Amino acid sequence: QQQVKQSPQSLIVQKGGISIINCAYENTAFDYFPWYQQFPGKGPALLIAIRPDVSEKKEGRFTISFNKSAKQFSLHIMDSQPGDSATYFCAASRASNTGKLIFGQGTTLQVKP
Amino acid sequence: ETGVTQTPRHLVMGMTNKKSLKCEQHLGHNAMYWYKQSAKKPLELMFVYSLEERVENNSVPSRFSPECPNSSHLFLHLHTLQPEDSALYLCASSQGTGRVETQYFGPGTRLLVL
Repeated sequence: QQQVKQSPQSLIVQKGGISIINCAYENTAFDYFPWYQQFPGKGPALLIAIRPDVSEKKEGRFTISFNKSAKQFSLHIMDSQPGDSATYFCAASRASNTGKLIFGQGTTLQVKP
Repeated sequence: ETGVTQTPRHLVMGMTNKKSLKCEQHLGHNAMYWYKQSAKKPLELMFVYSLEERVENNSVPSRFSPECPNSSHLFLHLHTLQPEDSALYLCASSQGTGRVETQYFGPGTRLLVL
């Protein structure tokens, strides 16, 4: 119930392509879904986040799509660039949790030039 | 210094050693966190401090002992660790502990227990 399942574990995309990372959850009490980006040797940093009252949120080349009925959400990176190569984590939290983010397992993205 | 800093960046210790990890945030936040990051596993929340009080202890073994002397500093005291405790330990801070508060992470301490 507390898990967030993320796939794929790793992803290789050509420069200019679309990268898609998927996450699924069980707990319907989750109501906040952030994505974090982590470069080697760095800590994760917030990339984009969504609330379940919207089905899509876009910030630049990054878009979150949210399907409440399927309990799934995904990150789309348009026009992927080599600088996007990093590990991406989806996460979820709910109102009653004290700062508790439940993270997915992470996806390592490599964008080839 | 800006953001969240952690020292040391790398640490090797034996199972009988005692060591401490230090985290400092320069963001004026009032909540701080310890996470454990192991390969191919989700980030695991260990402890949450809000206004210097521990508000979350995620069933962490007692060989890990956190300390938050003020809102800018967080320590993780380590003693009699096991090899399976080898991991990247991340510190984070946020303005509050509400679910929409962005957590800002430090670069982590890479710990190896021999």
